[in-house]
Amino acid sequence: AQSVSQHNHHVILSEAASLELGCNYSYGGTVNLFWYVQYPGQHLQLLLKYFSGDPLVKGIKGFEAEFIKSKFSFNLRKPSVQWSDTAEYFCAVIFNTNAGKSTFGDGTTLTVKP
Amino acid sequence: DTGVSQDPRHKITKRGQNVTFRCDPISEHNRLYWYRQTLGQGPEFLTYFQNEAQLEKSRLLSDRFSAERPKGSFSTLEIQRTEQGDSAMYLCASSGTGNNYGYTFGSGTRLTVV
Repeated sequence: AQSVSQHNHHVILSEAASLELGCNYSYGGTVNLFWYVQYPGQHLQLLLKYFSGDPLVKGIKGFEAEFIKSKFSFNLRKPSVQWSDTAEYFCAVIFNTNAGKSTFGDGTTLTVKP
Repeated sequence: DTGVSQDPRHKITKRGQNVTFRCDPISEHNRLYWYRQTLGQGPEFLTYFQNEAQLEKSRLLSDRFSAERPKGSFSTLEIQRTEQGDSAMYLCASSGTGNNYGYTFGSGTRLTVV
């Protein structure tokens, strides 16, 4: 079955530490990939997306993600986190690019300690 | 355009009652999605529309759930004969297509069935 896995449920980092959040999916076909972020008290918002081309995509607020097709992964990275990055992060996948809907992982809660 | 609006923000209802939620998408977005989210889980797909056509409905959605998008503008999600298991956050998102694809979420409607 098509699924999205985020193995890290809760990550705690100190400011200036580097971040990598894992996202894996199970599907052998073409995918579109997304990361969304939900800051405390706010609604979900798009962080970055991958459709095709350069597998390294850059998003807002210094985040980037790399699509590694052979590993079915789309990990989110940031070289130096800030306290304001404390949020919940969701990976989402469109499994059939002709389909409209995204399937979400269960999210990773990131806590950044000042 | 102020984004995606959802109404009400909170709804408390007694078991067995019917409830209806409204979503106003971004006006130039032709796709509209409904998701449900419970604590510790990612958003779970319910249904989506392209313009006024309902293109997909989750198999998880019972016959008690129905959604409409008359004239391809706002959408309503109705739950009939609510059950305690329906308690969740109901999220609406809209999107463009092609390279403009990417969800813009509303703030959600939190339903509590007592």
